[in-house]
Amino acid sequence: DAGITQSPRHKVTETGTPVTLRCHQTENHRYMYWYRQDPGHGLRLIHYSYGVKDTDKGEVSDGYSVSRSKTEDFLLTLESATSSQTSVYFCATEGQDSYEQYFGPGTRLTVT
Amino acid sequence: AQRVTQPEKLLSVFKGAPVELKCNYSYSGSPELFWYVQYSRQRLQLLLRHISRESIKGFTADLNKGETSFHLKKPFAQEEDSAMYYCALSGGSNYKLTFGKGTLLTVNP
Repeated sequence: DAGITQSPRHKVTETGTPVTLRCHQTENHRYMYWYRQDPGHGLRLIHYSYGVKDTDKGEVSDGYSVSRSKTEDFLLTLESATSSQTSVYFCATEGQDSYEQYFGPGTRLTVT
Repeated sequence: AQRVTQPEKLLSVFKGAPVELKCNYSYSGSPELFWYVQYSRQRLQLLLRHISRESIKGFTADLNKGETSFHLKKPFAQEEDSAMYYCALSGGSNYKLTFGKGTLLTVNP
């Protein structure tokens, strides 16, 4: 599993509430990524990080923010959750080289 | 802009039949191409990478730059191959991956 964990694994929340998802890695990788997975859309990049406090937007970043205060943790925050953010969220780190990516187990988020 | 197209959302074959999952890409430079597999409700796993030229679980994929394709093939499908398959391209800065929308493969007994 390349030392990647995500928490929580499942969450149900109400529209308008803030939500933070955590990705933790133990391999000291520089790059970390957040994706969302939706039927018919595949995986889409939300935000990524290329080092501590170095982050950038991906394809679908609206409504999301991220923070990386230490190498091992990459947090994804939904400031005010909406039903359109119901999805499965995957974190990833680089693999054997920077082109490959290893994925976490995913977080299933339901916004009611 | 880079793009990955998987034209088949669903693919159903019988056990022992050959299977081919199609992937076409659009990228102006030299891409790094991958196939990832996701078994039911599990994390994505790297299946193949074009530069390795390995056969993993009987699957192979050849990069055809002329046709900008990276199709995944297996001569004899097994029931345990049933999964979602994603083709992905890494060609931009910061090693970002662009994924296709995926093909759900079902291998029937």
